[in-house]
Amino acid sequence: KQEVTQIPAALSVPEGENLVLNCSFTDSAIYNLQWFRQDPGKGLTSLLLIQSSQREQTSGRLNASLDKSSGRSTLYIAASQPGDSATYLCAVGAKSNFGNEKLTFGTGTRLTIIP
Amino acid sequence: NAGVTQTPKFRVLKTGQSMTLLCAQDMNHEYMYWYRQDPGMGLRLIHYSVGEGTTAKGEVPDGYNVSRLKKQNFLLGLESAAPSQTSVYFCASTQGGRSYEQYFGPGTRLTVT
Repeated sequence: KQEVTQIPAALSVPEGENLVLNCSFTDSAIYNLQWFRQDPGKGLTSLLLIQSSQREQTSGRLNASLDKSSGRSTLYIAASQPGDSATYLCAVGAKSNFGNEKLTFGTGTRLTIIP
Repeated sequence: NAGVTQTPKFRVLKTGQSMTLLCAQDMNHEYMYWYRQDPGMGLRLIHYSVGEGTTAKGEVPDGYNVSRLKKQNFLLGLESAAPSQTSVYFCASTQGGRSYEQYFGPGTRLTVT
């Protein structure tokens, strides 16, 4: 059974710093990995989707990497801003028992950027 | 283009009452999903649909039913609500396949007393 872990559960950093969020998964037979952002009381917003054949994806100040063999992904945020404060979730896509793709989610890292 | 919308946003039920949550998407997506999110746990899949008229069970389907009569709508029903169903419910949709990201609705916060 796929398990997805995100450590730490919470992180506070001063504005302007670069930071890395971590995600690990137990089964490397994945289709893709997706990073989401969730603001309090809101839904999930997709940030980056990395296919299993890719090593990284970039969008603006965000860069996500994927190392399937070691079961790890990182989300790098450059020059952090207070508006980056949110909970960041990673989700691993793999084949389910029902034949289609299934996302398994981590519990998230709650990020606070201190002005 | 509203994306994925959910109705209602909040609801309080008494044990044993029933209700239906509505999810609608305007992106012509084939796949739709219902998840629940509980503190300290990742999102868990309740039911999903791979196209109009199809539904299937996810990880935690007990106590819930679904229907997908129209491609753009996916309904989640609770026939007899229990306190264990207190949660935040999210609907998501995707075009399908391995290359497409999932788009989420804003959630429905349900409390069962």
